Amino acid sequence: QKEVEQNSGPLSVPEGAIASLNCTYSDRGSQSFFWYRQYSGKSPELIMSIYSNGDKEDGRFTAQLNKASQYVSLLIRDSQPSDSATYLCAAHGSSNTGKLIFGQGTTLQVKP
Amino acid sequence: EPEVTQTPSHQVTQMGQEVILRCVPISNHLYFYWYRQILGQKVEFLVSFYNNEISEKSEIFDDQFSVERPDGSNFTLKIRSTKLEDSAMYFCASRAGTNQETQYFGPGTRLLVL
Repeated sequence: QKEVEQNSGPLSVPEGAIASLNCTYSDRGSQSFFWYRQYSGKSPELIMSIYSNGDKEDGRFTAQLNKASQYVSLLIRDSQPSDSATYLCAAHGSSNTGKLIFGQGTTLQVKP
Repeated sequence: EPEVTQTPSHQVTQMGQEVILRCVPISNHLYFYWYRQILGQKVEFLVSFYNNEISEKSEIFDDQFSVERPDGSNFTLKIRSTKLEDSAMYFCASRAGTNQETQYFGPGTRLLVL
């Protein structure tokens, strides 16, 4: 069973701090990885995608991928209370259909 | 900005009844998906659809489920005889093409089976 694992949290950080969210995956055939944000009762909203080893930055967000360690992370700089949500890590399955395999999500709480 | 839309937003049905969940993917997208999320659990893949046929389905997607693209815009998920355990949020997603890997999700349909 191909899995994506995340610590469910909650991860609590003060406003302005860096939040670090982590994810591991089991399928070495996965090539593409995504971070989605999900507010309670809402649908997943894409934050970042990453396909190559290393870092990818977009504004306050940095995604990191290490395929050798099968590890993906998301850093949120200058965390804001509005960043409080559940962050879902997802990996493309190794089939070519593009299906996403999701982790259970990490709940982030940013305290003012 | 183009977006995936879904109707209805909420559906309440009796066990054993048929339900049809509707989705309008982003125009010009070629790949379509259904996922579900039981309350408090992870988002789970149900089925992928490309070129008017199912390209992959999960173990959850048994004979009670079917998908259809009846015209050039709608993409539907039918559950023939609903069970209590089908209660969940159902998300439709679409993706542009082979070299465009990002999936965009609709707002979801919350299905409650009584």
